[in-house]
Amino acid sequence: NAGVTQTPKFRILKIGQSMTLQCTQDMNHNYMYWYRQDPGMGLKLIYYSVGAGITDKGEVPNGYNVSRSTTEDFPLRLELAAPSQTSVYFCASSYFGGGSYNEQFFGPGTRLTVL
Amino acid sequence: GQQVMQIPQYQHVQEGEDFTTYCNSSTTLSNIQWYKQRPGGHPVFLIQLVKSGEVKKQKRLTFQFGEAKKNSSLHITATQTTDVGTYFCAGPRGNKLVFGAGTILRVKS
Repeated sequence: NAGVTQTPKFRILKIGQSMTLQCTQDMNHNYMYWYRQDPGMGLKLIYYSVGAGITDKGEVPNGYNVSRSTTEDFPLRLELAAPSQTSVYFCASSYFGGGSYNEQFFGPGTRLTVL
Repeated sequence: GQQVMQIPQYQHVQEGEDFTTYCNSSTTLSNIQWYKQRPGGHPVFLIQLVKSGEVKKQKRLTFQFGEAKKNSSLHITATQTTDVGTYFCAGPRGNKLVFGAGTILRVKS
């Protein structure tokens, strides 16, 4: 049981390039989330999904896109990378969304630098 | 919208001293969760509190949920160097969690 896995671990992009951050979970969780964490700061929700085929915006969705074609995978797409997107990106999943017992399991993160 | 405030932002303690971080919500919460993030690592779930006035302990860590279910605290007794990291509280909002900004704990040995 690998939990939540993310690839790549590190990436350097040039301004204007695009990339996809991969996230996979093997816990059969319906709920998946993408966060970004700037140095010394808290977690900001980018997008989330309550099940395959359903996605919704978080508090900082601009410049990103997501898709959820399967329960296991929740890729995050960056189009036209900008220096402001330099951050650590965490994917998380949970069995329940709201209410009790909705603890989130986080992946190890992707450290992205845009130059 | 719902906000979760956490204080202090940063605390530097001598090894063996106690540490407390506080979490306050602008709305009543159905539950509150605490996470720990080691330097360079990812957030890891510690505990969830559900009942009004609930107190739970994990070894040297004591978690409390306020009577009004709008505030919570995490207290560490006799800190050790292994306690360093950022501690986040989080409350549910719909299908999401709202995280506090976190308290960074540094321990001097």
